[in-house]
Amino acid sequence: DAGITQSPRHKVTETGTPVTLRCHQTENHRYMYWYRQDPGHGLRLIHYSYGVKDTDKGEVSDGYSVSRSKTEDFLLTLESATSSQTSVYFCAISESAGPGLGGYTFGSGTRLTVV
Amino acid sequence: DQQVKQNSPSLSVQEGRISILNCDYTNSMFDYFLWYKKYPAEGPTFLISISSIKDKNEDGRFTVFLNKSAKHLSLHIVPSQPGDSAVYFCAASGAYSGAGSYQLTFGKGTKLSVIP
Repeated sequence: DAGITQSPRHKVTETGTPVTLRCHQTENHRYMYWYRQDPGHGLRLIHYSYGVKDTDKGEVSDGYSVSRSKTEDFLLTLESATSSQTSVYFCAISESAGPGLGGYTFGSGTRLTVV
Repeated sequence: DQQVKQNSPSLSVQEGRISILNCDYTNSMFDYFLWYKKYPAEGPTFLISISSIKDKNEDGRFTVFLNKSAKHLSLHIVPSQPGDSAVYFCAASGAYSGAGSYQLTFGKGTKLSVIP
């Protein structure tokens, strides 16, 4: 989507290796989010950021860490990938604290496979 | 404990007819309700929303109805078109949950197929 890009789009990695996914935005939005989507679970929040260097945990944060050193970049790191982290990961951004009536804007996703 | 529930994993509708997608929630603190549409290999896109102070919101072919007493909302698509075939996620947001963010809670999604 315009204004938000995720990289890589696809990645296959081995169990136990570290992996970093990147979310880059050009909208200068303060709030950024990482979600994962799994069959039978919908979208679940992993971590979110409410400003540079300000982050907090979501519903399924175990095994993940995040960093935000610049407004435009939000990184998601799997310190030691496991097969249970095979998923599609979505980054989202929002201008205000809550989605309000306008919702979040999502990126196109990263499909991660841990073998 | 699932706070937003979409009990129908899939729905098939003939082109031109009405599609009704349902969503139930358990958290009475939710203030905003949103519907997202997702095509394969793409991110979810915002479709329509409603505040808890309203019971209906329309946008073209899409109408969302909210029944607060029943903790139920529905999305109506009239008339349905083949391009509407996608996964639809219901989402809800509540009061301040700390650290400056009102987090969205999503349902599991309903896959809508509109048959030409």
